[in-house]
Amino acid sequence: GENVEQHPSTLSVQEGDSAVIKCTYSDSASNYFPWYKQELGKGPQLIIDIRSNVGEKKDQRIAVTLNKTAKHFSLHITETQPEDSAVYFCAAKVEWPNAGKSTFGDGTTLTVKP
Amino acid sequence: EPEVTQTPSHQVTQMGQEVILRCVPISNHLYFYWYRQILGQKVEFLVSFYNNEISEKSEIFDDQFSVERPDGSNFTLKIRSTKLEDSAMYFCASITGEGEKLFFGSGTQLSVL
Repeated sequence: GENVEQHPSTLSVQEGDSAVIKCTYSDSASNYFPWYKQELGKGPQLIIDIRSNVGEKKDQRIAVTLNKTAKHFSLHITETQPEDSAVYFCAAKVEWPNAGKSTFGDGTTLTVKP
Repeated sequence: EPEVTQTPSHQVTQMGQEVILRCVPISNHLYFYWYRQILGQKVEFLVSFYNNEISEKSEIFDDQFSVERPDGSNFTLKIRSTKLEDSAMYFCASITGEGEKLFFGSGTQLSVL
């Protein structure tokens, strides 16, 4: 089955700096890669996703890159703010033809210091 | 934005007791999932459900677990005889269909004593 590894497990940055979280996956059939933000006491919330036919996607301060050959994808957050502090999970999924299960990474606890 | 609703938010039970966790997925969604997260660990897939039957289940989802969609709105997870290691946050999730965004509920924190 799919195995997703995520690094680092904790990340501390100064407000305004950039943060990068990296994930690797094992199943070449995976074709959908979402990133979730989880705040304390809440469920994961999708913040950005990328499909295997795209190399990069950006949404304001958040971007995701995908290298299918190397089977890795990364989350980039620029101009970090204290409210970005949360646990971030990457996931990998075979999306077609069935809406299959997502396999999650271990999570990264991001702390943005004011 | 539409929400997946889960009840209760907290459930405390004695080992060996049955529990039912309830979820109301978003109304036009077709695929339903249960995930769990043991404190400080990753989110783990339990089961997916589509067209009134289980599509896929993980090794965690043994004979003690069952899911049901008893009516057009609720989606339940039953644990028949709870064990200490079942203590976790259980998340329900749903999507409209293939290629769509997965919505998670806020979870039910299950504590087995």
